[in-house]
Amino acid sequence: DTGVSQDPRHKITKRGQNVTFRCDPISEHNRLYWYRQTLGQGPEFLTYFQNEAQLEKSRLLSDRFSAERPKGSFSTLEIQRTEQGDSAMYLCASSLWDRGPTGELFFGEGSRLTVL
Amino acid sequence: AQKITQTQPGMFVQEKEAVTLDCTYDTSDQSYGLFWYKQPSSGEMIFLIYQGSYDEQNATEGRYSLNFQKARKSANLVISASQLGDSAMYFCAMRETSNTGFQKLVFGTGTRLLVSP
Repeated sequence: DTGVSQDPRHKITKRGQNVTFRCDPISEHNRLYWYRQTLGQGPEFLTYFQNEAQLEKSRLLSDRFSAERPKGSFSTLEIQRTEQGDSAMYLCASSLWDRGPTGELFFGEGSRLTVL
Repeated sequence: AQKITQTQPGMFVQEKEAVTLDCTYDTSDQSYGLFWYKQPSSGEMIFLIYQGSYDEQNATEGRYSLNFQKARKSANLVISASQLGDSAMYFCAMRETSNTGFQKLVFGTGTRLLVSP
């Protein structure tokens, strides 16, 4: 399978613990996005990487959240001192720079976080 | 700020019938793009169809077509000949461009479609 893969698919943690999610984009894609989706809502943009550079961050991304994309390949999203409000599906998406005006995003299946 | 509105929380359709999922948008940009994604229970967002603001013809992709009415700022998704596998959440999205040229997708709240035999 050469799609976007995310790990873990599900994570249950206690409030105050740290969690890390990993995203492996489609190999030739240089753009990588993280989105968060809460119950009954559409995905909301969190952050964007072009190659290894983090170029955009949403105001939703508090200082407890950090994302990296070393070497412009896989990406990690870490949440420190988790809170119950962090419970959501975290979606990763990738796309190719020269995809053209369509610019469709290819999403992974998401990492569902439950904070108890 | 741009905004996507999907007013139908849920829709029901019988197998083999057509169904229309509504989407209206709000933007002051002249150039924009509209997308529809399908999200089955597995969680993955699957791209269905794209319409550019300057496209003169409505987009079509197999059983999916987009009824684009620019003056009304609506971009409804039409699924013809519904199949049981079409049961899923459907999200309308708009490509938003910031002052720096950064582009991201802004999503609506979605419509849950249930196809019955």
